[in-house]
Amino acid sequence: DQQVKQNSPSLSVQEGRISILNCDYTNSMFDYFLWYKKYPAEGPTFLISISSIKDKNEDGRFTVFLNKSAKHLSLHIVPSQPGDSAVYFCAAKDSGGSNYKLTFGKGTLLTVNP
Amino acid sequence: GAGVSQSPSNKVTEKGKDVELRCDPISGHTALYWYRQSLGQGLEFLIYFQGNSAPDKSGLPSDRFSAERTGGSVSTLTIQRTQQEDSAVYLCASSLDGQGARNEQFFGPGTRLTVL
Repeated sequence: DQQVKQNSPSLSVQEGRISILNCDYTNSMFDYFLWYKKYPAEGPTFLISISSIKDKNEDGRFTVFLNKSAKHLSLHIVPSQPGDSAVYFCAAKDSGGSNYKLTFGKGTLLTVNP
Repeated sequence: GAGVSQSPSNKVTEKGKDVELRCDPISGHTALYWYRQSLGQGLEFLIYFQGNSAPDKSGLPSDRFSAERTGGSVSTLTIQRTQQEDSAVYLCASSLDGQGARNEQFFGPGTRLTVL
């Protein structure tokens, strides 16, 4: 039972254009969401996060949008750069007793073409 | 200036053998996590250690899996009588403190386990 879903296994965009990566969740207890980026043979690295009390968080070229009613979040990368090519994982936590536990989606492979 | 380190980076073993995977967390981090990423899947939570508290073992898939954290630092994940479905990348992460929604988890590079 996938509680965090990334329905696009891959995405290809042109350098300079916008990349939009999507994530849906089913657990209404989730109240904190994170995006991780993973290069081959490396561990995931934290990219950006958002609390459920917000609907947008921006950090440089990266913006995460949260639509709580739709249980949907998205990561926007503008402008996309070839170095952004990686697997992006969406993850979620709840504020209950297991608030240390991250639940991950399967990831989306982003390829940014020069 | 170390991040989380894991060893070995790759492990190939025969079905039925035991394996030990090691994790060195970031110094000063009290929380340590093990995750597993099987082919085509997301990261799956296995176990969580926080200080001297009893670990949360709820993610361990079977009793062939166990983990220890000695002295509040290094952790070892042991898989006994390995099966082919245990083949995956095993990732360790640490954070300053496990409690609180905003504690960033820093991941190691993982150990790729292949069971033949």
